[in-house]
Amino acid sequence: DGGITQSPKYLFRKEGQNVTLSCEQNLNHDAMYWYRQDPGQGLRLIYYSQIVNDFQKGDIAEGYSVSREKKESFPLTVTSAQKNPTAFYLCASTRAAVNYGYTFGSGTRLTVV
Amino acid sequence: AQSVAQPEDQVNVAEGNPLTVKCTYSVSGNPYLFWYVQYPNRGLQFLLKYITGDNLVKGSYGFEAEFNKSQTSFHLKKPSALVSDSALYFCAVRDTNNAGNMLTFGGGTRLMVKP
Repeated sequence: DGGITQSPKYLFRKEGQNVTLSCEQNLNHDAMYWYRQDPGQGLRLIYYSQIVNDFQKGDIAEGYSVSREKKESFPLTVTSAQKNPTAFYLCASTRAAVNYGYTFGSGTRLTVV
Repeated sequence: AQSVAQPEDQVNVAEGNPLTVKCTYSVSGNPYLFWYVQYPNRGLQFLLKYITGDNLVKGSYGFEAEFNKSQTSFHLKKPSALVSDSALYFCAVRDTNNAGNMLTFGGGTRLMVKP
């Protein structure tokens, strides 16, 4: 079955550490997105990529970095510069056609310990 | 620019009663509209979408939504709520004039269905 997979489901980070969240899709989607969600809140866009080897900052990119070396993969690194990284992170993908919605992964919950 | 608003942070309804979750939008062209549902600690799941055609769109789990162009609204409805419908609901819009192809999401509405 096609889908979008995020791993790990839960991640614990010590202060000062960088951690990388994985997002892989086998839907042949062109565009991929990373969102941050705080408890009971909406989605805030971190980064997005519409083609391989290209990505754009979203609304809250500071303290995060991404790469898009393959169409299927869009990993997110939470760096030590992100002062409050504890949150639920969601990855999404879509086709280029405008009548397509997004397909979401099941999320990664990151906690700073 | 495109935007979407969900004016209610929370909607409370008794099981068996009809429910409505409100969504209004703003676009410069024509809208493509979507509803998603999120259960705790899960990703967003697609419920339904309006692209063109019939203003009443039927989706998953018995939900439907009515597109109203004059009121720029796309409210989510269900004739009889279930306790299991309790979740966070997101409305999203894409403007047909949006070359960037991105969805804009509303802030979400928490639906609480009480037995």
